Amino acid sequence: EDQVTQSPEALRLQEGESSSLNCSYTVSGLRGLFWYRQDPGKGPEFLFTLYSAGEEKEKERLKATLTKKESFLHITAPKPEDSATYLCAVQPTQGAQKLVFGQGTRLTINP
Amino acid sequence: SAVISQKPSRDICQRGTSLTIQCQVDSQVTMMFWYRQQPGQSLTLIATANQGSEATYESGFVIDKFPISRPNLTFSTLTVSNMSPEDSSIYLCSVDGQYNEQFFGPGTRLTVL
Repeated sequence: EDQVTQSPEALRLQEGESSSLNCSYTVSGLRGLFWYRQDPGKGPEFLFTLYSAGEEKEKERLKATLTKKESFLHITAPKPEDSATYLCAVQPTQGAQKLVFGQGTRLTINP
Repeated sequence: SAVISQKPSRDICQRGTSLTIQCQVDSQVTMMFWYRQQPGQSLTLIATANQGSEATYESGFVIDKFPISRPNLTFSTLTVSNMSPEDSSIYLCSVDGQYNEQFFGPGTRLTVL
């Protein structure tokens, strides 16, 4: 069964304090791994797609990396506006482009 | 990325009634998806809707409870039938992008009393 586990469930940082969020996955075949940001009361906002181990993507203070078993979302010198829930999802090769989501990491950046 | 709107944005309904949620996209898309996000939980796929064919439902979801329409390439509806308090959730539609990513609408927050 395809499964995604994110850790930690919640993370509280001071502004400027860098850290990483973890996404571990089990999937029969990986078409892609996706990171999303979700603000309260809104739908998920697409951030990155990673396709193969060793791949990295960057956007402003965020960098996503991928290995064969997990992905990391690194946040460098975060600001309060980076506070959100970050969701990781995998897309198996079997099945019509469904996304299997993890539970998310609720990130709070204190000023 | 596509711009997606949903109606209604929120509703409070009585048990035993039905609610139809609309999803409108500003461009033609091949696949549309419906997800459920229960309180404090992550997203779970309900079904995939392609234009001109029957929706494909995930395990645990049935057409009688969640009928879906996809009349054209920019619009879809999800009906939550014979509702119970356990159906209280956020319902999200999404569309496929150019590189297998999905773009999500703002969601419909449903409360069943």
